[in-house]
Amino acid sequence: DTEVTQTPKHLVMGMTNKKSLKCEQHMGHRAMYWYKQKAKKPPELMFVYSYEKLSINESVPSRFSPECPNSSLLNLHLHALQPEDSALYLCASSQVAGTGEQYFGPGTRLTVT
Amino acid sequence: KQEVTQIPAALSVPEGENLVLNCSFTDSAIYNLQWFRQDPGKGLTSLLLIQSSQREQTSGRLNASLDKSSGRSTLYIAASQPGDSATYLCAVIRGGSEKLVFGKGMKLTVNP
Repeated sequence: DTEVTQTPKHLVMGMTNKKSLKCEQHMGHRAMYWYKQKAKKPPELMFVYSYEKLSINESVPSRFSPECPNSSLLNLHLHALQPEDSALYLCASSQVAGTGEQYFGPGTRLTVT
Repeated sequence: KQEVTQIPAALSVPEGENLVLNCSFTDSAIYNLQWFRQDPGKGLTSLLLIQSSQREQTSGRLNASLDKSSGRSTLYIAASQPGDSATYLCAVIRGGSEKLVFGKGMKLTVNP
């Protein structure tokens, strides 16, 4: 099974709300990633977790807070977002960070009002 | 800094044609190259992964080749179908890096 799942599929939130995105994989992968994708653009890397530790933060604003509670689960906590943060948020995983094939989830479409 | 280029940005063809999608990268010190497909509003589907030591990979009607020394990869789609319509992205990762570098993608439309 090469499936990465993400919930919710769609999320609408106000600028003062707090919400979380969830990502799960059961492939035994030890690297997990968050990407942000705007329309007609390629995905932009936000965070990389390797063996449940944050290894890359691509200078992402602190209103985005990642969390990796265990090797199968990755969360992205959102707080005080701006309308320009509206995008498709994609989660991915790979066997080990920096090697092997990355598998992507279906994404969460986030709209900030 | 690694840059990945996909030209053209869009392609429209009639059904049944054999297609070649191009990807070029500036730094040949890559660990692997991955081709993805993305349908509108959806996530990325991995099509093929080529390790730096490999020359090509095949899956069904898809064949991807890699020429590391010239910084090029091609994705060959045989007998194209309307269901192949999507955006195709290539991405490379450098040895020792954890970061995939994506091209901007090529939007393919296969007309029935």
